[in-house]
Amino acid sequence: AQKITQTQPGMFVQEKEAVTLDCTYDTSDPSYGLFWYKQPSSGEMIFLIYQGSYDQQNATEGRYSLNFQKARKSANLVISASQLGDSAMYFCAMRSPGNTPLVFGKGTRLSVIA
Amino acid sequence: DAGITQSPRHKVTETGTPVTLRCHQTENHRYMYWYRQDPGHGLRLIHYSYGVKDTDKGEVSDGYSVSRSKTEDFLLTLESATSSQTSVYFCAISDGAGKNTGELFFGEGSRLTVL
Repeated sequence: AQKITQTQPGMFVQEKEAVTLDCTYDTSDPSYGLFWYKQPSSGEMIFLIYQGSYDQQNATEGRYSLNFQKARKSANLVISASQLGDSAMYFCAMRSPGNTPLVFGKGTRLSVIA
Repeated sequence: DAGITQSPRHKVTETGTPVTLRCHQTENHRYMYWYRQDPGHGLRLIHYSYGVKDTDKGEVSDGYSVSRSKTEDFLLTLESATSSQTSVYFCAISDGAGKNTGELFFGEGSRLTVL
């Protein structure tokens, strides 16, 4: 069965600094997709970034990048130049081949300090 | 933004009563999902649908049933609500992994409290 592990329940980062949120996954499928979502205090779920298992390069979306290390089965989210608005819960998720539902980790709460 | 609406957004009910949450989409997406979010557990899949009248169970399906009679609507029913079903329920939709990344688009959530 697929499993996502986020080992950091909470993190603090200084404004304008970079921060890395850890995510490791477990799957025996060679084809899979990895996702990161942001949930601010208002509660909505916002899709941030996607990485396919066969993608040769790490995904980037603005200040978000995904540090994908396939051999280590890790898909860490890097946020550069943190802003106060980045304070939120962040979830890592994985999809196995086909259109199977996403499996989510337990999340990491990020707090950005001015 | 994907057109997904959940109703009701907030509900307080008593143990033993039936509850139905509705998810309505205007995107004509094939896949629809119900997740619940609880502190310390992240999001856990309850049920999902891969087409009209095609549904399957998720990780935490006990005590829940679903129905999808139209593409746009996915109903989640708690036949007899229990306090352990107090949670925030999210509906999500997807066009499928074949067309793009297959990311989920979420509704705003429905907060259910069972007293």
